Amino acid sequence: DQQVKQNSPSLSVQEGRISILNCDYTNSMFDYFLWYKKYPAEGPTFLISISSIKDKNEDGRFTVFLNKSAKHLSLHIVPSQPGDSAVYFCAAKNSGNTPLVFGKGTRLSVIA
Amino acid sequence: ETGVTQTPRHLVMGMTNKKSLKCEQHLGHNAMYWYKQSAKKPLELMFVYSLEERVENNSVPSRFSPECPNSSHLFLHLHTLQPEDSALYLCASSQGGRAGTDTQYFGPGTRLTVL
Repeated sequence: DQQVKQNSPSLSVQEGRISILNCDYTNSMFDYFLWYKKYPAEGPTFLISISSIKDKNEDGRFTVFLNKSAKHLSLHIVPSQPGDSAVYFCAAKNSGNTPLVFGKGTRLSVIA
Repeated sequence: ETGVTQTPRHLVMGMTNKKSLKCEQHLGHNAMYWYKQSAKKPLELMFVYSLEERVENNSVPSRFSPECPNSSHLFLHLHTLQPEDSALYLCASSQGGRAGTDTQYFGPGTRLTVL
């Protein structure tokens, strides 16, 4: 059973509008969450993270929101740009030296 | 070179071949990872090394054999693979240790095709 779920395999957004990528998790022990971005023929690139002691973390155009009671996190990109078109992976882990658990990814297409 | 590098970027091999994938990290990290990414599946963790010792082996078939000679280098030795092993193999590294906020940084991957 998947512990990290990204239920939307793809998303299309107009340039300049907001992109919202969603992620759900089942393991209540997860306390650190990350978003990675992946272009074709490249490895995933770390984008932004959030610890479970926070409910929001912002870095420029990227904001991650965490709702622990709903076991849900989301990545907001505003304004969206064509260069944001990529596959976005959500990942989660427990405290300590434990491995990351990844979702299947959501392919974002930003249309000019 | 900076970050995490992987060679070769593409590899085609027959089922009876022996080949090796190489990963090198230039970030001063203590932990290194091998992941497999197949189409329409999440990234699957294969092996974790922390301070050159294997700490995780997620029931990976013995035809995949990792080697970590030092904290900067990681190899994945391949032998008698099956066509279903065709995938993108990603290496990652992280600072390691007991910190909960341990971010992994990935290499570009090796696209493996087994004929």
